[in-house]
Amino acid sequence: SQTIHQWPATLVQPVGSPLSLECTVEGTSNPNLYWYRQAAGRGLQLLFYSVGIGQISSEVPQNLSASRPQDRQFILSSKKLLLSDSGFYLCAWGRRATNEKLFFGSGTQLSVL
Amino acid sequence: DAKTTQPNSMESNEEEPVHLPCNHSTISGTDYIHWYRQLPSQGPEYVIHGLTSNVNNRMASLAIAEDRKSSTLILHRATLRDAAVYYCIAGYNNNDMRFGAGTRLTVKP
Repeated sequence: SQTIHQWPATLVQPVGSPLSLECTVEGTSNPNLYWYRQAAGRGLQLLFYSVGIGQISSEVPQNLSASRPQDRQFILSSKKLLLSDSGFYLCAWGRRATNEKLFFGSGTQLSVL
Repeated sequence: DAKTTQPNSMESNEEEPVHLPCNHSTISGTDYIHWYRQLPSQGPEYVIHGLTSNVNNRMASLAIAEDRKSSTLILHRATLRDAAVYYCIAGYNNNDMRFGAGTRLTVKP
Protein backbone atom coordinates (compact mmCIF):
# COMPACT_ATOMS: atom_id res chain seq x y z
CA SER A 1 0.00 0.00 0.00
CA GLN A 2 1.04 3.57 -0.53
CA THR A 3 1.99 5.90 2.30
CA ILE A 4 3.09 9.49 2.50
CA HIS A 5 5.40 10.79 5.20
CA GLN A 6 5.75 14.43 6.10
CA TRP A 7 7.86 15.93 8.86
CA PRO A 8 8.18 17.61 11.23
CA ALA A 9 4.64 17.84 12.58
CA THR A 10 5.25 21.22 14.19
CA LEU A 11 7.97 23.79 13.74
CA VAL A 12 8.68 27.16 15.32
CA GLN A 13 11.19 29.29 13.47
CA PRO A 14 12.41 32.89 13.88
CA VAL A 15 11.93 35.41 11.09
CA GLY A 16 14.84 35.31 8.69
CA SER A 17 15.79 31.70 9.39
CA PRO A 18 15.90 29.03 6.67
CA LEU A 19 13.29 26.33 6.19
CA SER A 20 13.34 22.79 4.91
CA LEU A 21 10.28 20.55 4.96
CA GLU A 22 10.53 17.06 3.57
CA CYS A 23 7.92 14.75 2.12
CA THR A 24 8.40 11.19 0.91
CA VAL A 25 6.03 8.71 -0.69
CA GLU A 26 6.28 4.93 -0.46
CA GLY A 27 4.63 2.19 -2.43
CA THR A 28 4.25 3.93 -5.78
CA SER A 29 6.42 5.25 -8.57
CA ASN A 30 6.31 8.36 -10.77
CA PRO A 31 3.76 10.16 -8.60
CA ASN A 32 2.68 13.73 -9.07
CA LEU A 33 3.69 15.63 -5.92
CA TYR A 34 2.21 18.76 -4.40
CA TRP A 35 2.83 21.33 -1.68
CA TYR A 36 -0.15 23.21 -0.30
CA ARG A 37 -0.35 25.87 2.41
CA GLN A 38 -3.32 26.61 4.61
CA ALA A 39 -3.60 29.79 6.65
CA ALA A 40 -5.65 29.58 9.84
CA GLY A 41 -9.34 29.16 9.02
CA ARG A 42 -8.77 29.35 5.27
CA GLY A 43 -8.75 27.00 2.30
CA LEU A 44 -5.72 25.32 0.79
CA GLN A 45 -3.43 27.26 -1.51
CA LEU A 46 -1.46 25.25 -4.06
CA LEU A 47 2.19 26.32 -3.88
CA PHE A 48 4.10 23.89 -6.09
CA TYR A 49 3.55 20.72 -8.02
CA SER A 50 5.90 18.32 -9.73
CA VAL A 51 5.32 15.72 -12.42
CA GLY A 52 8.87 14.32 -12.32
CA ILE A 53 12.39 14.58 -10.94
CA GLY A 54 13.65 18.14 -11.29
CA GLN A 55 10.32 19.35 -12.75
CA ILE A 56 8.69 21.98 -10.54
CA SER A 57 5.75 24.22 -11.34
CA SER A 58 5.16 27.22 -9.12
CA GLU A 59 1.66 28.50 -8.56
CA VAL A 60 2.34 31.56 -6.45
CA PRO A 61 5.45 33.78 -6.53
CA GLN A 62 6.94 33.98 -3.04
CA ASN A 63 10.10 33.40 -1.08
CA LEU A 64 9.56 29.65 -1.02
CA SER A 65 11.03 27.09 -3.40
CA ALA A 66 10.57 23.39 -4.01
CA SER A 67 12.83 20.64 -5.23
CA ARG A 68 12.39 17.03 -6.24
CA PRO A 69 15.78 15.35 -6.01
CA GLN A 70 14.35 11.83 -6.17
CA ASP A 71 11.21 10.32 -7.66
CA ARG A 72 9.37 10.05 -4.35
CA GLN A 73 10.91 12.94 -2.44
CA PHE A 74 9.62 16.50 -2.42
CA ILE A 75 11.25 19.29 -0.43
CA LEU A 76 9.92 22.75 0.41
CA SER A 77 12.53 25.36 1.27
CA SER A 78 13.08 28.97 2.12
CA LYS A 79 16.30 30.90 2.59
CA LYS A 80 14.71 33.51 4.87
CA LEU A 81 11.32 33.02 6.47
CA LEU A 82 8.78 35.82 6.76
CA LEU A 83 6.01 36.19 9.33
CA SER A 84 3.51 35.61 6.51
CA ASP A 85 4.99 32.15 5.89
CA SER A 86 3.25 30.84 9.02
CA GLY A 87 0.64 28.24 8.27
CA PHE A 88 -0.20 24.57 7.88
CA TYR A 89 1.86 22.99 5.10
CA LEU A 90 0.56 19.89 3.41
CA CYS A 91 2.26 17.54 1.00
CA ALA A 92 0.17 15.39 -1.32
CA TRP A 93 0.65 12.85 -4.09
CA GLY A 94 -1.50 11.62 -6.92
CA ARG A 95 -1.21 9.16 -9.81
CA ARG A 96 -0.60 10.56 -13.26
CA ALA A 97 -3.98 9.98 -14.78
CA THR A 98 -7.25 11.74 -15.27
CA ASN A 99 -9.50 12.11 -12.22
CA GLU A 100 -7.18 10.32 -9.86
CA LYS A 101 -7.55 11.28 -6.22
CA LEU A 102 -4.99 13.09 -4.09
CA PHE A 103 -3.52 11.59 -0.93
CA PHE A 104 -2.37 14.04 1.73
CA GLY A 105 0.24 13.86 4.43
CA SER A 106 -0.48 14.78 8.02
CA GLY A 107 0.90 18.30 7.62
CA THR A 108 3.44 20.58 9.29
CA GLN A 109 2.25 23.45 11.45
CA LEU A 110 4.82 26.21 10.93
CA SER A 111 4.92 29.23 13.21
CA VAL A 112 7.29 32.03 12.26
CA LEU A 113 7.95 34.38 15.19
CA ASP B 1 -10.34 24.25 -13.52
CA ALA B 2 -13.76 25.68 -12.74
CA LYS B 3 -14.53 27.89 -9.78
CA THR B 4 -16.82 26.37 -7.16
CA THR B 5 -19.11 28.06 -4.65
CA GLN B 6 -20.12 26.48 -1.34
CA PRO B 7 -21.87 27.78 1.79
CA ASN B 8 -19.42 28.73 4.51
CA SER B 9 -21.05 26.56 7.14
CA MET B 10 -23.87 24.11 7.77
CA GLU B 11 -25.27 22.34 10.79
CA SER B 12 -26.79 18.93 11.14
CA ASN B 13 -28.14 16.72 13.87
CA GLU B 14 -26.54 13.38 14.52
CA GLU B 15 -28.16 10.43 12.72
CA GLU B 16 -29.85 12.72 10.19
CA PRO B 17 -28.99 13.06 6.48
CA VAL B 18 -26.88 16.01 5.34
CA HIS B 19 -26.97 17.59 1.90
CA LEU B 20 -23.94 19.75 1.12
CA PRO B 21 -24.42 21.86 -2.03
CA CYS B 22 -21.82 23.08 -4.52
CA ASN B 23 -22.21 25.35 -7.54
CA HIS B 24 -19.80 25.04 -10.46
CA SER B 25 -21.52 26.95 -13.24
CA THR B 26 -18.36 27.31 -15.38
CA ILE B 27 -17.51 23.61 -15.35
CA SER B 28 -16.18 22.24 -18.64
CA GLY B 29 -17.29 19.01 -20.23
CA THR B 30 -14.14 17.17 -19.14
CA ASP B 31 -14.00 18.39 -15.53
CA TYR B 32 -14.73 15.88 -12.81
CA ILE B 33 -16.41 16.89 -9.57
CA HIS B 34 -14.40 15.89 -6.53
CA TRP B 35 -15.22 16.09 -2.85
CA TYR B 36 -12.69 16.01 -0.05
CA ARG B 37 -13.06 16.59 3.66
CA GLN B 38 -10.63 17.83 6.26
CA LEU B 39 -10.84 16.91 9.91
CA PRO B 40 -9.23 19.32 12.42
CA SER B 41 -5.43 19.40 12.28
CA GLN B 42 -5.31 16.80 9.51
CA GLY B 43 -4.79 16.77 5.76
CA PRO B 44 -7.83 16.47 3.50
CA GLU B 45 -9.10 13.02 2.60
CA TYR B 46 -10.89 11.95 -0.54
CA VAL B 47 -14.62 11.40 -0.24
CA ILE B 48 -16.05 10.83 -3.70
CA HIS B 49 -15.94 12.02 -7.29
CA GLY B 50 -18.03 11.82 -10.44
CA LEU B 51 -18.43 13.12 -13.97
CA THR B 52 -22.07 12.95 -15.03
CA SER B 53 -23.86 10.15 -13.22
CA ASN B 54 -24.69 10.01 -9.54
CA VAL B 55 -22.15 8.06 -7.53
CA ASN B 56 -22.30 6.10 -4.29
CA ASN B 57 -19.57 4.74 -2.06
CA ARG B 58 -19.28 3.67 1.55
CA MET B 59 -18.70 7.24 2.72
CA ALA B 60 -21.28 9.24 0.80
CA SER B 61 -23.36 9.78 -2.32
CA LEU B 62 -22.80 12.40 -4.99
CA ALA B 63 -25.77 13.78 -6.86
CA ILE B 64 -24.86 15.72 -10.02
CA ALA B 65 -27.35 18.03 -11.69
CA GLU B 66 -28.28 17.20 -15.26
CA ASP B 67 -26.61 20.39 -16.56
CA ARG B 68 -23.58 19.66 -14.30
CA LYS B 69 -23.61 23.21 -12.97
CA SER B 70 -24.20 22.04 -9.43
CA SER B 71 -23.80 18.97 -7.28
CA THR B 72 -24.72 17.78 -3.81
CA LEU B 73 -22.74 15.62 -1.43
CA ILE B 74 -25.07 13.48 0.65
CA LEU B 75 -24.12 11.98 3.98
CA HIS B 76 -26.92 9.56 4.70
CA ARG B 77 -26.60 9.50 8.49
CA ALA B 78 -24.33 12.12 9.98
CA THR B 79 -22.15 11.12 12.90
CA LEU B 80 -20.03 13.28 15.17
CA ARG B 81 -16.98 12.02 13.26
CA ASP B 82 -18.35 13.63 10.09
CA ALA B 83 -17.77 17.10 11.50
CA ALA B 84 -15.21 18.56 9.13
CA VAL B 85 -14.63 21.07 6.35
CA TYR B 86 -15.94 19.70 3.05
CA TYR B 87 -14.35 20.86 -0.20
CA CYS B 88 -15.91 20.65 -3.64
CA ILE B 89 -13.50 20.85 -6.59
CA ALA B 90 -14.10 20.76 -10.33
CA GLY B 91 -11.10 19.75 -12.38
CA TYR B 92 -9.77 17.46 -15.11
CA ASN B 93 -6.83 15.89 -13.33
CA ASN B 94 -5.06 16.19 -10.02
CA ASN B 95 -3.01 19.17 -11.24
CA ASP B 96 -6.31 21.07 -11.29
CA MET B 97 -7.08 20.58 -7.60
CA ARG B 98 -7.81 24.09 -6.28
CA PHE B 99 -9.33 23.99 -2.81
CA GLY B 100 -11.54 26.90 -1.80
CA ALA B 101 -12.70 27.69 1.72
CA GLY B 102 -15.15 24.76 1.73
CA THR B 103 -18.17 24.20 3.97
CA ARG B 104 -17.64 23.71 7.68
CA LEU B 105 -20.09 21.03 8.82
CA THR B 106 -21.07 20.96 12.47
CA VAL B 107 -22.87 17.86 13.75
CA LYS B 108 -24.90 18.26 16.90
CA PRO B 109 -25.56 15.30 19.19
